[in-house]
Amino acid sequence: KAGVTQTPRYLIKTRGQQVTLSCSPISGHRSVSWYQQTPGQGLQFLFEYFSETQRNKGNFPGRFSGRQFSNSRSEMNVSTLELGDSALYLCASSASGTGNNEQFFGPGTRLTVL
Amino acid sequence: GQSLEQPSEVTAVEGAIVQINCTYQTSGFYGLSWYQQHDGGAPTFLSYNALDGLEETGRFSSFLSRSDSYGYLLLQELQMKDSASYFCAVSFSGSARQLTFGSGTQLTVLP
Repeated sequence: KAGVTQTPRYLIKTRGQQVTLSCSPISGHRSVSWYQQTPGQGLQFLFEYFSETQRNKGNFPGRFSGRQFSNSRSEMNVSTLELGDSALYLCASSASGTGNNEQFFGPGTRLTVL
Repeated sequence: GQSLEQPSEVTAVEGAIVQINCTYQTSGFYGLSWYQQHDGGAPTFLSYNALDGLEETGRFSSFLSRSDSYGYLLLQELQMKDSASYFCAVSFSGSARQLTFGSGTQLTVLP
């Protein structure tokens, strides 16, 4: 099976712009979660989608949003970018009903806000 | 809220055994996971404990004590390729897929 893929891998934006990141989960996985990783704050949960519904949301402002499509692919959007949004954005997919709670991470999108 | 504590750095030599501890505070604890991340790479799953006791997967083992809110990752027969960051992460009931990560332990394996 192909792994989790994320596009684009690298992105440079300026303050005030918006950005959309894409994630394709492993085939058959219906849960997609998004995380932000920065040197200062570490890995932080953004939100989780399952069957096109947001199931959980982390402590991020409303500028961060996401959605999931019927094929389980997911997108996240960040509007009105701030310098502090520079980070590695990781998406992870998992199969429902797995006892070990394993999540499979994609390679991430490195976002730089200038 | 949830909080986790793990050492920031650990150094060991090839062939040695190293233990990375993780203590957590969380309400509605569901399980403790461990992930490995090499520089520039994605986190990869190592192990998961929902019940007390030891889980063994090859050279890696993970332990959980729910009553002590404590777990550890044990790495045996260390190899150079084990140099990486190791994260413990808790999930809590009601949102098993929402992982709260510790700040990570940078493991350096010396020849």
